[in-house]
Amino acid sequence: EDQVTQSPEALRLQEGESSSLNCSYTVSGLRGLFWYRQDPGKGPEFLFTLYSAGEEKEKERLKATLTKKESFLHITAPKPEDSATYLCAVQAGVDTGRRALTFGSGTRLQVQP
Amino acid sequence: GAGVSQSPSNKVTEKGKDVELRCDPISGHTALYWYRQSLGQGLEFLIYFQGNSAPDKSGLPSDRFSAERTGGSVSTLTIQRTQQEDSAVYLCASSFGTYGNTIYFGEGSWLTVV
Repeated sequence: EDQVTQSPEALRLQEGESSSLNCSYTVSGLRGLFWYRQDPGKGPEFLFTLYSAGEEKEKERLKATLTKKESFLHITAPKPEDSATYLCAVQAGVDTGRRALTFGSGTRLQVQP
Repeated sequence: GAGVSQSPSNKVTEKGKDVELRCDPISGHTALYWYRQSLGQGLEFLIYFQGNSAPDKSGLPSDRFSAERTGGSVSTLTIQRTQQEDSAVYLCASSFGTYGNTIYFGEGSWLTVV
């Protein structure tokens, strides 16, 4: 069974204080690891897809990295508008026949001015 | 449309009533997913459609839940004889193809069973 564990559950940062969110996973033949941002009362907003260990992707103050067991979402010099819940999800390999994403419970990030 | 559209955005229903939730995926997207998110919880997979293939219903929590997708586009999630534990946000998502493709979510339908 695919599993995704995110830590910490909640994180409070001062504006400009960089940090990292962790996503540990177990999956049969990883096809893709996805990061989403979710604001209160909204649907998840796509951020990144990572496909293989060693891959990195960046978008503004966010950088996602991937190893064979975990992914990190690095936030550099965050701003209050980065406050949201960040969700990590995995998709299993083709051989499993499973196409749905398995999500973690998320990390609630609050950035204070 | 520009994004995944869901309706209604909010629904309050009495326990025991049936409800229907609608999803319009992004035009051209062949894959459609339904997820459920309870308050403060992660996303729980419900059902997946891909083209004309048989849907993956492995996530449906009980036989009170069903879904259909007509013409490879619009989908309806039906919950019969609603219970209070069905209160949640029901999220629809779509993607172009399956493995590894970006999956885009709608804003959700907030269901409250009283």
